[in-house]
Amino acid sequence: DQQVKQNSPSLSVQEGRISILNCDYTNSMFDYFLWYKKYPAEGPTFLISISSIKDKNEDGRFTVFLNKSAKHLSLHIVPSQPGDSAVYFCAASFGGSQGNLIFGKGTKLSVKP
Amino acid sequence: GAGVSQSPSNKVTEKGKDVELRCDPISGHTALYWYRQRLGQGLEFLIYFQGNSAPDKSGLPSDRFSAERTGESVSTLTIQRTQQEDSAVYLCASSLGYGDPVNEKLFFGSGTQLSVL
Repeated sequence: DQQVKQNSPSLSVQEGRISILNCDYTNSMFDYFLWYKKYPAEGPTFLISISSIKDKNEDGRFTVFLNKSAKHLSLHIVPSQPGDSAVYFCAASFGGSQGNLIFGKGTKLSVKP
Repeated sequence: GAGVSQSPSNKVTEKGKDVELRCDPISGHTALYWYRQRLGQGLEFLIYFQGNSAPDKSGLPSDRFSAERTGESVSTLTIQRTQQEDSAVYLCASSLGYGDPVNEKLFFGSGTQLSVL
């Protein structure tokens, strides 16, 4: 039973346009969410996070939106660049407790020049 | 080095053999995680070490899998009697791990690609 779901395995976007990656979760106890980015043959790297007390967090071209009532979060990349082409993983945790992050299956983003 | 180091980067083995994968976390990181990613799948949690506490082994798929960690440094993941379904990229990560969500940001190694023939 997947607690963190990324229902789109892939997404293709034109350079300069907006990329929107979606993530849904089932466990209302999650209160901290993170996005990781992974290039081929490399480990994932942290991109951006959001606490459940917020509904938006912005870092440069990257913005994460959280809709707690819908148990949904999204990552917006504006403007998209070819170097953003990677697999993006959504992850969730129980804030304040120690333990593992629950990851989604990832969405492969391709940004075309 | 400054990052999480894993060795070997690639391992090819025959079905039934044992393998040992190594992870050197970032110095000072008290938490260490093992994940695996099978082809076309997401990151699957295996085991988590936090300081001197008993490890969280809830993600280990069978008793053929085990892991150890020496203090707050090196960890080894051992797979006994490997099966073809064990083929995956095994990723190690570490974090400051003080129970603060901010510090749960994981730093991953590049992984070990395990292929069981």
